[in-house]
Amino acid sequence: DGGITQSPKYLFRKEGQNVTLSCEQNLNHDAMYWYRQDPGQGLRLIYYSQIVNDFQKGDIAEGYSVSREKKESFPLTVTSAQKNPTAFYLCASSTGTGKNQPQHFGDGTRLSIL
Amino acid sequence: KQEVTQIPAALSVPEGENLVLNCSFTDSAIYNLQWFRQDPGKGLTSLLLIQSSQREQTSGRLNASLDKSSGRSTLYIAASQPGDSATYLCARGGSNDMRFGAGTRLTVKP
Repeated sequence: DGGITQSPKYLFRKEGQNVTLSCEQNLNHDAMYWYRQDPGQGLRLIYYSQIVNDFQKGDIAEGYSVSREKKESFPLTVTSAQKNPTAFYLCASSTGTGKNQPQHFGDGTRLSIL
Repeated sequence: KQEVTQIPAALSVPEGENLVLNCSFTDSAIYNLQWFRQDPGKGLTSLLLIQSSQREQTSGRLNASLDKSSGRSTLYIAASQPGDSATYLCARGGSNDMRFGAGTRLTVKP
């Protein structure tokens, strides 16, 4: 059955290290999104992609990078420039290509600092 | 600036009670309003989606309403059950963005 798969479920980052979070979808959705969720706050948009080989920064893109080489995949790299990376990261996708489209979510990756 | 507000942040009710969760938003240029459920350590599961042209949507024991003029949406849960315990988030789709509330953590006690 169709859905969004995020891996790993838990990830630990050492000081100065880049880490990559995986997001794969088999819903044939054009648009994909990365959000960060912190306690007591709403989800904040990091990056989004409306189509293969194209992506745009969201509200909090600094310290993060993405790629969209395949329709099914939208990996997120948390770079060493992101000084406060500890958070719950959620990937989403939608059939429509606007940022206001109804979205389907994966189960998230929890990133912590060692 | 918090553009989507959910009050209360936490709510505890006895099983069987009917309850209302509130969501308010500041931008009147609303495209849609979506309610989600989030279980601990999990992603968001979509419950109901209301387009800007609609007033409400229903699914089973859940009913969501939308009042654009007052900038409010409510999620009504009838005959609550312990399995309804989760965090409920609302998200407002604007002209070209999606803004999420911080959620209401609901506990339904047996």
